[in-house]
Amino acid sequence: NAGVTQTPKFRILKIGQSMTLQCTQDMNHNYMYWYRQDPGMGLKLIYYSVGAGITDKGEVPNGYNVSRSTTEDFPLRLELAAPSQTSVYFCASRLDRGQDTQYFGPGTRLTVL
Amino acid sequence: AQSVTQPDIHITVSEGASLELRCNYSYGATPYLFWYVQSPGQGLQLLLKYFSGDTLVQGIKGFEAEFKRSQSSFNLRKPSVHWSDAAEYFCAVGSKGGNKLTFGTGTQLKVEL
Repeated sequence: NAGVTQTPKFRILKIGQSMTLQCTQDMNHNYMYWYRQDPGMGLKLIYYSVGAGITDKGEVPNGYNVSRSTTEDFPLRLELAAPSQTSVYFCASRLDRGQDTQYFGPGTRLTVL
Repeated sequence: AQSVTQPDIHITVSEGASLELRCNYSYGATPYLFWYVQSPGQGLQLLLKYFSGDTLVQGIKGFEAEFKRSQSSFNLRKPSVHWSDAAEYFCAVGSKGGNKLTFGTGTQLKVEL
């Protein structure tokens, strides 16, 4: 199993550009999450999904969108990139409600200039 | 609201010395507690978790943590640190079956040879 994979590893965007961060898991986990990690801060939850077709907002959803068309994939979309979105983004997955351990991907480092 | 405090931003220890990383939490119900480790450029890896039962939990890489309800603490320990333990360590709290994991701001561990 590859676990949770994320692409790209690094990206530089200009203000106003858009992009999609990809996240795929091959563990057949129902729950998936997007976090952002800013320097000196803990991880903040952006969006999460409890299954295909079901998504919900986390603590810091503004400026982002998600979709979950399959169990495996949970892409994160930035429509109009802003410098405040410069961060490291982590995707995570969890089997289901009865299993509380989240498994994390390696992260995407995004810089918006 | 749930919260996690990791009072030590940076800790430096000599290889072979013992280690204790502090974590205090605030949570209204029975907490689910986690310690994750993040090596440079990597995602978060679960070290150990506490849900219920024995308050001293063993994890991977020789780490252990003790849950003390009276002190709202979940400190991470290791008897003898190895140079490869240099990384950032995050404490997190959540609820059973819940989707919100609240992370502390992390403790950066440096190991001197």
